[in-house]
Amino acid sequence: DTGVSQNPRHKITKRGQNVTFRCDPISEHNRLYWYRQTLGQGPEFLTYFQNEAQLEKSRLLSDRFSAERPKGSFSTLEIQRTEQGDSAMYLCASSHRENTGELFFGEGSRLTVL
Amino acid sequence: AQSVSQHNHHVILSEAASLELGCNYSYGGTVNLFWYVQYPGQHLQLLLKYFSGDPLVKGIKGFEAEFIKSKFSFNLRKPSVQWSDTAEYFCAVKTGGFKTIFGAGTRLFVKA
Repeated sequence: DTGVSQNPRHKITKRGQNVTFRCDPISEHNRLYWYRQTLGQGPEFLTYFQNEAQLEKSRLLSDRFSAERPKGSFSTLEIQRTEQGDSAMYLCASSHRENTGELFFGEGSRLTVL
Repeated sequence: AQSVSQHNHHVILSEAASLELGCNYSYGGTVNLFWYVQYPGQHLQLLLKYFSGDPLVKGIKGFEAEFIKSKFSFNLRKPSVQWSDTAEYFCAVKTGGFKTIFGAGTRLFVKA
């Protein structure tokens, strides 16, 4: 069990650029989640995948955000035309279908938009 | 909308002091309740969880939490904190859907 892996760990970009984050969940976990965390706040739900199907999206996820999990394994989160308000820690978590709700988090990808 | 409220944003204690962190949620149905912890420089990890049964649940490192349904509360306790308990603590609630909702977190600093 190597844990949930996220990269890059840090990304600094200029406003208007596109960025992509990758998440590799724990191998036997079929459920994958993206959360966003800003300073002084807890993680906020963005989206959820069960295998390759994206089953739920938060209203926080504007049209500039898109997430995929093409083969039901790793996932990507892309932010187009970044804005300064997108600066945050983007967290990925996974869980097993037999699990009763425990989330296993990665270390996160910190985005800074200048 | 469902929400989770943590009463204290920052707590400072001396070693051996007792700890209680408050958590209230707003949801009238069946819930699964969690406390997660984030140690400095580390990822979020589960501290303890409640699904059903005994409302007093025990977690790792001597932590426990009590679910009081009538008060919509799930407070975290530890009789005697250690310097190594310095961390940020998040209360979380999962209802019937897929998402887990987190509180804003409580930063605990334990003075050696």
